This record gives sequence, C-alpha cells and structure tokens, in this order.
Amino acid sequence: EDKVVQSPLSLVVHEGDTVTLNCSYEVTNFRSLLWYKQEKKAPTFLFMLTSSGIEKKSGRLSSILDKKELFSILNITATQTGDSAIYLCAASGSARQLTFGSGTQLTVLP
Amino acid sequence: DAGVIQSPRHEVTEMGQEVTLRCKLISGHNSLFWYRQTMMRGLELLIYFNNNVPIDDSGMPEDRFSAKMPNASFSTLKIQPSEPRDSAVYFCASSSPAGEGSGANVLTFGAGSRLTVL
Repeated sequence: EDKVVQSPLSLVVHEGDTVTLNCSYEVTNFRSLLWYKQEKKAPTFLFMLTSSGIEKKSGRLSSILDKKELFSILNITATQTGDSAIYLCAASGSARQLTFGSGTQLTVLP
Repeated sequence: DAGVIQSPRHEVTEMGQEVTLRCKLISGHNSLFWYRQTMMRGLELLIYFNNNVPIDDSGMPEDRFSAKMPNASFSTLKIQPSEPRDSAVYFCASSSPAGEGSGANVLTFGAGSRLTVL
C-alpha cells in the first residue's frame, strides 16, 4: 500500500524564522511528488517535483526531492504570519493518482 | 474560469438521512477525484473518474457511499444512510488530461463540503 509520512505534525515559529518540512514516501512506480498549502479552505498547489536534486523555488518557498532516499523537503525562509497553514505532501504512483500525507500544521506567530 | 464548484458548502443532518454532495469540474478537465478529510485520517481518496468512468473506488468506505458522473462536467457523492462517523470535509478535485510523459495529475480542489451528521 502506498504511504506518505510527513513530519513534524505541527510546528510553531516566530516571524522571520526559517522552517523545514519533511516528507517521506513509499509509492509503487513513483512518478512525482507534490506539495500543497491548505489554509481555511481547499488545498492549493505549490510545487511538483519529478527529478532528484533539482530545487524548485517560488519566492521564499523552495523544495527538493531525493529519489534515492525517498524524501522531499519544503523550506520556507523569513516566515510571515500569512504562511500559517497546513502543508500537504502527496506522491503519485503508477495510476498517477495522489496519496497524501497527514500534513504539517505550521503556525507563524507575530 | 470559476474553478471547481462544490455544493453545499455546509450540511448538518441527522443520522439515517440521505446526503448528496455535488461537484462541477473545471471546463476541459477530464479526471475527477472525491476526497474526504478528517483530523484523524487526513485526506483520503474515495473514488476517481477518468472520462466519466470510475477507475478506482477502493477508497469508498462501504456500500452506503456511492458516486456518479452522469456527464463530463458534473459528479455527485451520495451517502445513504448517513452516520455520525461520516462527518468530515468532502473535497472534489479535477485535473486536466495528463500525457504519458507527465508526472501526475495536478489537482485543483473545490472549496469542500463540510458535513456534520448528528
């Protein structure tokens, strides 16, 4: 059975801190790994990673994939209160459907 | 484009009642996914359709749950009879056709339907 595990489950930091969120996966015929941000409503897409070692970057957020060790990290630098959300990691396997992790609840305090 | 549209946004019902959740896909998308999200279990895939055909319904909890996609742009998820343990947020998501070289279906989620069964 495909499995995605995220850590930590929750994290509280202060504005300006840098955070690293972790995601490990066990997926048959792995194709790609996706990161989503969920605030009060629907998850919104952040990144899709298919190749090891190539960093994807969007503003203060960046992510990288290690297909040998089966994990990905999501970094957020200079955090702001607006970064408070649940960050979801999902892996795609042979059917191209997504298996989601349980998420990391990030709280950024002013 | 209005995005994925779900209704109702909130539903409170009593145990034993029938619940129908609705979803309208983004125009041009051909895959539809129903997810359920709870604090305990996170996001769970219930069923997904490709070109109106159910591909994998192994996540549907039991026979009380059924889903249909009568046309290319609309789907329903029905729970009959509902039970308190069905209380959750139900998300519908759609994606555009993915070629063989692509990595995954990048899903666009609706705003969710929050169901409370008393």
